[in-house]
Amino acid sequence: QKEVEQDPGPLSVPEGAIVSLNCTYSNSAFQYFMWYRQYSRKGPELLMYTYSSGNKEDGRFTAQVDKSSKYISLFIRDSQPSDSATYLCAMSATGGSYIPTFGRGTSLIVHP
Amino acid sequence: GAVVSQHPSWVICKSGTSVKIECRSLDFQATTMFWYRQFPKQSLMLMATSNEGSKATYEQGVEKDKFLINHASLTLSTLTVTSAHPEDSSFYICSATLTTGGLGEQYFGPGTRLTVT
Repeated sequence: QKEVEQDPGPLSVPEGAIVSLNCTYSNSAFQYFMWYRQYSRKGPELLMYTYSSGNKEDGRFTAQVDKSSKYISLFIRDSQPSDSATYLCAMSATGGSYIPTFGRGTSLIVHP
Repeated sequence: GAVVSQHPSWVICKSGTSVKIECRSLDFQATTMFWYRQFPKQSLMLMATSNEGSKATYEQGVEKDKFLINHASLTLSTLTVTSAHPEDSSFYICSATLTTGGLGEQYFGPGTRLTVT
């Protein structure tokens, strides 16, 4: 079992839909959770990060962490064609290690 | 802020030659930089962790004599692919940590696409 599992998709939705992207993990030591957006042939761009459990909202994006279920989510409201990209979750443990473990990414397609 | 650049953005080289890729943090000092490679539709594979002024730490299975990493300053790390072969063709991405009390954020460069013919 991989430490971080993420469905690669693709996930295709119409413009304006609410998108839910998810990752599960097995390492209970993970405390920092991040979501990256990667456009084709570009480097990943940090979207959001959260520490421990709870929700965090930034504009149309909401990140949720449920440590009891080892499950994290990224919600995108009012999705736009410009949101079409690959979304990677990443997580790291405490103890001074900044090296995250990445999911393989979910490809999102928002069609007009 | 927190901009990381890479150069070149793409490179084609012949088998047996060496290629150097530069990674720079433009507006912050990065004590730690990371090098990843990414195959199509695959996630990022960490190759090595590079700390300024010390030897890089390579992940298991990554040949340190083939992938030479130099972290000469707090804003520059280089990856040299020596004696490149077609199987080294990949997308190479660097990242740097913006140390803000341990939140583990990494900021990525735009990547370098290497094609070995």
